[in-house]
Amino acid sequence: KNQVEQSPQSLIILEGKNCTLQCNYTVSPFSNLRWYKQDTGRGPVSLTIMTFSENTKSNGRYTATLDADTKQSSLHITASQLSDSASYICVVSERDDYKLSFGAGTTVTVRA
Amino acid sequence: DTAVSQTPKYLVTQMGNDKSIKCEQNLGHDTMYWYKQDSKKFLKIMFSYNNKELIINETVPNRFSPKSPDKAHLNLHINSLELGDSAVYFCASSKGSHPSNTEAFFGQGTRLTVV
Repeated sequence: KNQVEQSPQSLIILEGKNCTLQCNYTVSPFSNLRWYKQDTGRGPVSLTIMTFSENTKSNGRYTATLDADTKQSSLHITASQLSDSASYICVVSERDDYKLSFGAGTTVTVRA
Repeated sequence: DTAVSQTPKYLVTQMGNDKSIKCEQNLGHDTMYWYKQDSKKFLKIMFSYNNKELIINETVPNRFSPKSPDKAHLNLHINSLELGDSAVYFCASSKGSHPSNTEAFFGQGTRLTVV
């Protein structure tokens, strides 16, 4: 069964600090991996999408990495801001299939 | 000027009732989806429509019936609501028809509570 596991489940950081979120998956064959940001009471918004050949991709202060060999991805948030408080969801898709496997998300709380 | 809008945002209803959630997108996308997010925050795809045609239908009880009057609208009708239907339902749309290789844009969600 294809699975996506994220860690930690939640974390609290001080404004201005960096943090890294992890995503491990067993989806195969792999097509792409995405990170979404979901603010409380809102729908998910795409941050990055990476295919097999991409190792890193940035979107402002968000940098995602992908190691397709070990089936691991990380999302690094640099110089966190209060607006970064949200749930971050890792989504992995299978090649040649419509199925998307969603992680449960990591809830990030940024405190002043 | 919201890209994907769904109504209502909150819905509280009694068991056994029938209710509908509406969704509209003004992005000109061909494909629309309904997702369910449970209490553990897992998102699961329920349905997908491409140009008004059903292309994905996950193992969802037949009490759930999507209806697409045109490619800009995908409504979700739920019959005989049960306690376990309580969740947040998200509508989404994408340009392509294959959810694995096209970016989806989500609505703000409808929190359904069945009492």
